[in-house]
Amino acid sequence: QSVLTQPPSVSAAPGQKVTISCSGSSSNIEYNYVSWYQQLPGTAPKLLIYENNERPSGIPDRFSGSKSGTSATLGITGLQTGDEADYYCATWDSSLSAGVFGGGTKLTVL
Amino acid sequence: QVQLQESGPGLVKPSQTLSLTCTVSGGSISSGNYYWSWIRQHPGKGLEWIGYIFYSGSTYYNPTLKSRLTISVDTSKRQFSLKLRSVTAADTAVYYCARGLAATLLVYWGQGTLVTVSP
Repeated sequence: QSVLTQPPSVSAAPGQKVTISCSGSSSNIEYNYVSWYQQLPGTAPKLLIYENNERPSGIPDRFSGSKSGTSATLGITGLQTGDEADYYCATWDSSLSAGVFGGGTKLTVL
Repeated sequence: QVQLQESGPGLVKPSQTLSLTCTVSGGSISSGNYYWSWIRQHPGKGLEWIGYIFYSGSTYYNPTLKSRLTISVDTSKRQFSLKLRSVTAADTAVYYCARGLAATLLVYWGQGTLVTVSP
């Protein structure tokens, strides 16, 4: 049971937009930066978003991040079949003094 | 281009020590404000943060693993390592090493290595 709560799955049609939520608390998301990772089947996770809303070089602007209070959101527009993957949020938990990941959300592009 | 590669036994017996090494190429392991990290993923499950060793040598561990865990670095070999003692079947997972700019800002990842704990 993760301290960061994500929906187990989301789905949308190609070309559409989807959002993935990550709910935490004042000991993690509210006062710490959030990162988002994409994990394609059988591969290592890949950094998509860091510091709540920044994209590393090479990540298309179809991917965006935001944070408000104790929740963060990953947005993906112009969905492609290649976006089918598991998505994880992550942040530092000041109470645990440890990094924490969300439970992951499986994105299906119908 | 920075690359990381995990290595170590794929099978460990219960109660023994799981030892993995991450070899870094394409960049220095002894300079820069980097967090040399370990993350694991149980079969079919989500990611679990294990811990890191900072470039200065300081370490931070997952509290649930802290009593059994040691992360160390060998700068001469450009490697950092994980040792997890007294393993059980619950430690069966794919183990990833990564280089981060913060504890959970992990930019470069290894491909992962599956470690199975079984008699």
